[in-house]
Amino acid sequence: GQQLNQSPQSMFIQEGEDVSMNCTSSSIFNTWLWYKQDPGEGPVLLIALYKAGELTSNGRLTAQFGITRKDSFLNISASIPSDVGIYFCAGRWDTGNQFYFGTGTSLTVIP
Amino acid sequence: ETGVTQTPRHLVMGMTNKKSLKCEQHLGHNAMYWYKQSAKKPLELMFVYNFKEQTENNSVPSRFSPECPNSSHLFLHLHTLQPEDSALYLCASSQVGLIDTEAFFGQGTRLTVV
Repeated sequence: GQQLNQSPQSMFIQEGEDVSMNCTSSSIFNTWLWYKQDPGEGPVLLIALYKAGELTSNGRLTAQFGITRKDSFLNISASIPSDVGIYFCAGRWDTGNQFYFGTGTSLTVIP
Repeated sequence: ETGVTQTPRHLVMGMTNKKSLKCEQHLGHNAMYWYKQSAKKPLELMFVYNFKEQTENNSVPSRFSPECPNSSHLFLHLHTLQPEDSALYLCASSQVGLIDTEAFFGQGTRLTVV
């Protein structure tokens, strides 16, 4: 199956700092998604990307669909304690196909 | 009502028990999914149903048996599980076809096999 590698695996940052994480694939994807999962809950969709080079924002979150279509980036500006959780990327190479998920980036925000 | 609802939220079962997980989606989607989430591993797709028909079974052991009676409901029947089957089981739904949507997840069922 498709391999999605997320980095870093975990991050410990001070409140107010900016965060960057990325996701790379061994294959091309036509859709990139970013999810956040709180402990004991299901993943919640943050941002969806559909076009190579696309840059999309959702509040303090900004995600980009890499030009090669094999990577995507998520940035969080001015982090706050409620940003704590695990962030997953997901990719799909064609409509109707399954989504492949990355291993997750665990974010801890220190007040 | 939330978009995708899973019950129960927590389940502890013995290896000889039979239990079922339930998922219901209120989003009008035509595809539903079961995922397994174990610690330190990516989400593992188990089953996919499009328009109530199973379209994928990712080499899941037969002790997991899915059922999709209609496009809004999905079950996962469990029997003679092993301790390594303990995990968070997530249900998701999406729309596939002329207009595809992202996958929306339920809150999950935390399963512990003892």
